[in-house]
Order: sequence, then structure tokens, then C-alpha cells
Amino acid sequence: ILNVEQSPQSLHVQEGDSTNFTCSFPSSNFYALHWYRWETAKSPEALFVMTLNGDEKKKGRISATLNTKEGYSYLYIKGSQPEDSATYLCAFGGSYIPTFGRGTSLIVHP
Amino acid sequence: DGGITQSPKYLFRKEGQNVTLSCEQNLNHDAMYWYRQDPGQGLRLIYYSQIVNDFQKGDIAEGYSVSREKKESFPLTVTSAQKNPTAFYLCASTAVTLAWDEQFFGPGTRLTVL
Repeated sequence: ILNVEQSPQSLHVQEGDSTNFTCSFPSSNFYALHWYRWETAKSPEALFVMTLNGDEKKKGRISATLNTKEGYSYLYIKGSQPEDSATYLCAFGGSYIPTFGRGTSLIVHP
Repeated sequence: DGGITQSPKYLFRKEGQNVTLSCEQNLNHDAMYWYRQDPGQGLRLIYYSQIVNDFQKGDIAEGYSVSREKKESFPLTVTSAQKNPTAFYLCASTAVTLAWDEQFFGPGTRLTVL
């Protein structure tokens, strides 16, 4: 079983703060790295899929970077809002089926 | 609207009983998956199916069974052999089975064994 680590496990920030979290994964047999957002009482939804070393993706205030050589990806949220509160999952695609990390739970306080 | 439906949302089971969780998709996706989530754990793969009438075990298949008789449907049976079935179960699908293919998830079923 592959080791996909996310840190921190949980994070509390104030509205307007910028924040970031990390996903670490094996640096060999890399095909793709996914980020998903999972809001309470909803289904997880895809944020980004990244496939190339050095990839940077952006969606509104959320962005992600990828370093496949050292095996990590960062997710950044600029100016956090209460509606950003969710669990953020990363998934490492080293074969046909991605392996999920445990997630980072983000709570943004008004 | 296309999507994935799971039913029921909550399910209670007595020890020793088999129960079946439903998963239906109208996205015309070839591949479907079942995951289990426990508190403090990531999503763990139970079974997946790349095509009708074919399925493969995931990391934690013991005590579970599946079928894939139709492209749209991938039901999961939690058998009495599953030692600790209380958990949250998520169904997902992808257009094809590729590492870079985005997964679409259902809303989940929470199973509690009484």
C-alpha cells in the first residue's frame, strides 16, 4: 500500500488569512496528483489534477503546485473565507487507481 | 443532471446480517469504485470495476462483495464476514480507468452495526 501523507491534519484560521497545506507521495511511478474538496454533507469534488513536474494550477483564490522529483504538492488558499471550510484530500495516481491521503480539515472562522 | 446516487443515506444493520448498498450513475462512465472511510483515515479502496461483468479487489475487500451487471450500477454487499462494518461508504466513477482521470463521487452511505 502506497504512503500518501497530508499535513497538517487540521487547521483553524481566521477569515482573510492565507493558508497552505502539503501532500507528500512516492517520487517514483508518478502519473498524476489530484486535489479534492470535501464539504460537510456533500460529495468530494475535484479541484485540480496535475500531471507534470512544476505544474501550477489555479482556481479563484485556490492554487496548487507540484514537485514530482521530491514527491510533494502544496495547496494554497489566499484570503480564506468561511465557505472554504472543508476537508481537502489529495490522491496520488501511481497506477490506474489513485491512493488517497487522510485529508486536511480546514475551518475558517468569521 | 448527471451524477451518482447512493442509497440509503443511513443504514442500520444487526450483527450477522448482510446488507446491500446501492450506487447508480448516469454519467456513462466505464469505471466505478467503492471506498470506505473511518474516522482519521483516508479513503480506502474496497472494490473497483473497469467494465461491466468485471471487478477487482481493492486494499480491503475481505467481507465485501460486488456485482456489475449494468454499466450504471455497482452495488456493494457488506456480508456478516466483515468484522467491523460500521463506517462511511463512498461510491465513485471515472470515465475510464486512468491515473489522471477525475473521480466523481456520490453522497455516501453511513452504515452502523447495532
